[in-house]
Amino acid sequence: DAGVIQSPRHEVTEMGQEVTLRCKPISGHDYLFWYRQTMMRGLELLIYFNNNVPIDDSGMPEDRFSAKMPNASFSTLKIQPSEPRDSAVYFCASSLWGGAGNTIYFGEGSWLTVV
Amino acid sequence: AQSVAQPEDQVNVAEGNPLTVKCTYSVSGNPYLFWYVQYPNRGLQFLLKYITGDNLVKGSYGFEAEFNKSQTSFHLKKPSALVSDSALYFCAVSYPSGGSYIPTFGRGTSLIVHP
Repeated sequence: DAGVIQSPRHEVTEMGQEVTLRCKPISGHDYLFWYRQTMMRGLELLIYFNNNVPIDDSGMPEDRFSAKMPNASFSTLKIQPSEPRDSAVYFCASSLWGGAGNTIYFGEGSWLTVV
Repeated sequence: AQSVAQPEDQVNVAEGNPLTVKCTYSVSGNPYLFWYVQYPNRGLQFLLKYITGDNLVKGSYGFEAEFNKSQTSFHLKKPSALVSDSALYFCAVSYPSGGSYIPTFGRGTSLIVHP
């Protein structure tokens, strides 16, 4: 399997612009996660989906952030409008339900810089 | 509630020496414990996990971890460190509470192996 695929790998954008990050989970996985990693805050869970349905979005920092999963093989994380403090690495991850011991598989990340 | 602590931001070790990366957890029942590794500019990769059974768990790249229930710890170990082991290591705990099995990640420990 190709693993979790994220795009773009790197993005530099100006403050106020819309940013869309994309993710293709591993085929057959029924959980999808969006994480954000910064030096200050470490790894934060933003939102996760189960069978394409958002289950917990309590980690989404503001209304500027939104995530969708229109089908089992695609998800987006959108920031509108973007701000410099949104600069971070955004990871998408997926897993196949196996109880509490299920392993999460991460993508390579989308490195976002907002100037 | 579940939580995990990695008390060291950074661990330095000489190549060939044994290494230990510490992790302690807090859950109200039996935990499921994980170690992930993040190499520079990459996503997190699964190393090993403890579900039940033998307290010593062996994983990828020669790593192992020991589950100690009385000390609520799950330290990552390797008998002989390699320079290529230099990376960021994350401990995670998962616990079946309220139907949610989403793991909680620690802040990460940077392992630096000196030649």
